[in-house]
Amino acid sequence: DAMVIQNPRYQVTQFGKPVTLSCSQTLNHNVMYWYQQKSSQAPKLLFHYYDKDFNNEADTPDNFQSRRPNTSFCFLDIRSPGLGDAAMYLCATSSPGTGRNEQFFGPGTRLTVL
Amino acid sequence: LAKTTQPISMDSYEGQEVNITCSHNNIATNDYITWYQQFPSQGPRFIIQGYKTKVTNEVASLFIPADRKSSTLSLPRVSLSDTAVYYCGRRAGSYQLTFGKGTKLSVIP
Repeated sequence: DAMVIQNPRYQVTQFGKPVTLSCSQTLNHNVMYWYQQKSSQAPKLLFHYYDKDFNNEADTPDNFQSRRPNTSFCFLDIRSPGLGDAAMYLCATSSPGTGRNEQFFGPGTRLTVL
Repeated sequence: LAKTTQPISMDSYEGQEVNITCSHNNIATNDYITWYQQFPSQGPRFIIQGYKTKVTNEVASLFIPADRKSSTLSLPRVSLSDTAVYYCGRRAGSYQLTFGKGTKLSVIP
């Protein structure tokens, strides 16, 4: 089945130690998104790629970076994680102009910062 | 500034119809109203979206009045497996999806 895959599902890192989260998709969608979801809160968009064009949300901290080497993969890099960055990180994809324009979410990576 | 407000939680018995209403203050002319469902430890899943009037699909109906200041998600005959958090939100353009704070629906046997 076509899907959005996130690895790992659970990630533990130390305060200040860089960490990378991965997302891959088999849907061949040209847009990929990263959201942050803190406990009992709604997902919040960090940035998205339309193909290779990167679009950062205005309030996304500089500590968060992203890479998209090809259509299928997208990475979230947290350069110096703080305790406040502990959250679920959700990757999503969409293909605008194909009807409902819905976003397809992966299962998320839960990040713990020690 | 556009703001989306929805009830924090709702309870319902199995087999009942559930209506969750969301208010959309200052929704922009071109924004679509959208609803997602999220189970614990999973990503949100699209349920339905609309611009105005009524939209129905295989799982839900969405009612949006002419002034578009609110929307109501209707789930017919809920089952225990419908226990989840339901997010209303707005989609601005093709990419910008902003969620409300979510309504935790608990379905009781």
